[in-house]
Amino acid sequence: DAGVTQSPTHLIKTRGQQVTLRCSPKSGHDTVSWYQQALGQGPQFIFQYYEEEERQRGNFPDRFSGHQYPNYSSELNVNALLLGDSALYLCASSEPGVTEAFFGQGTRLTVV
Amino acid sequence: RKEVEQDPGPFNVPEGATVAFNCTYSNSASQSFFWYRQDCRKEPKLLMSVYSSGNEDGRFTAQLNRASQYISLLIRDSKLSDSATYLCAVNSASWGKLQFGAGTQVVVTP
Repeated sequence: DAGVTQSPTHLIKTRGQQVTLRCSPKSGHDTVSWYQQALGQGPQFIFQYYEEEERQRGNFPDRFSGHQYPNYSSELNVNALLLGDSALYLCASSEPGVTEAFFGQGTRLTVV
Repeated sequence: RKEVEQDPGPFNVPEGATVAFNCTYSNSASQSFFWYRQDCRKEPKLLMSVYSSGNEDGRFTAQLNRASQYISLLIRDSKLSDSATYLCAVNSASWGKLQFGAGTQVVVTP
């Protein structure tokens, strides 16, 4: 049983560009959350998707947007990249009605 | 004040010893509590959920103190492989965001 999978694992982008990160949840999980983790910090909640809708959003600008597909997979899009967007982006999935979240291996984004 | 706070450490622990550390949270409405383990440059892995009655999983024991608003993790008989950063996470609903602390680094030495 595959766990949460994310792609790509590493990415280098130039300031001002746009990026799309992808996540496939664990089998049986319908809820996908995205987190940003800067070096030395804990993961910061970006948003959560459930039933193809953004259910909750953290304190991130509109440059961060997402989508969830009918098969529960999800994308995170970041526009107009800033140097400060460099971080590990983590996707987490959970079962219906369960709070325990399981993380993918993350995408390490570097903005230069 | 941060919503979830942890002592960053590092906690330097001799192999075989016991180490314990806490995580405090500010939202009294918090309902779910977790400990995650994160190795350098890897993803957080769920170590254990923390229940009101406390729970134990092998060498790991987690406790919840609602009155003082903290959770704790105790590791007995530390192994070299226990060296990692331990993140606590708190949730105020049955769904939605997990609020993480910045992590406590544990270094187990031979």
